Amino acid sequence: AQTVTQSQPEMSVQEAETVTLSCTYDTSESDYYLFWYKQPPSRQMILVIRQEAYKQQNATENRFSVNFQKAAKSFSLKISDSQLGDAAMYFCAFTDSNYQLIWGAGTKLIIKP
Amino acid sequence: EPEVTQTPSHQVTQMGQEVILRCVPISNHLYFYWYRQILGQKVEFLVSFYNNEISEKSEIFDDQFSVERPDGSNFTLKIRSTKLEDSAMYFCASGTRLADEQYFGPGTRLTVT
Repeated sequence: AQTVTQSQPEMSVQEAETVTLSCTYDTSESDYYLFWYKQPPSRQMILVIRQEAYKQQNATENRFSVNFQKAAKSFSLKISDSQLGDAAMYFCAFTDSNYQLIWGAGTKLIIKP
Repeated sequence: EPEVTQTPSHQVTQMGQEVILRCVPISNHLYFYWYRQILGQKVEFLVSFYNNEISEKSEIFDDQFSVERPDGSNFTLKIRSTKLEDSAMYFCASGTRLADEQYFGPGTRLTVT
């Protein structure tokens, strides 16, 4: 079965510090896309960053970057210079062979001022 | 920037009633999806839609559910006879290519009483 595991139900970080959210997944596919989505209290699902599995280079988007380890099936998200607006649920997801998004359970990120 | 919209933002209905959740995907997108998220749980795939027909559907998407793209712009999810366990946030998403980024709407919170 294809699964996504986010082992940290909750993480907290001091404003301006760096935090890393972990994600592992299981798939037999060789080509797929990986995503981190952010869900603030408004519950809108917002794309943070995406990674194509065939690309070795880790994706970056401003303060957000990933550490993609394909062999280990690991896809962690690093948030640098954390801001109060980063507080949200963060979901890791990937597209399976049927192009459905398979989701992790989420990590609640708390930013301490 | 184009975005996916959903109406209503919140729908309250009695058990056994029919509900229709509406979505307007981004205009040049070809792939459409419905997901649901029961409070405190993972996001779950319901159905994908392409070329005016269902591409994939999950076990959740039983005979009580149907989708339609009636006029080339709207994409609807109908639940024929709602159950208490249908209470959830329902997200519509659209995309330009299979397996690539899906753009999410703000969601419709469905409460079945």
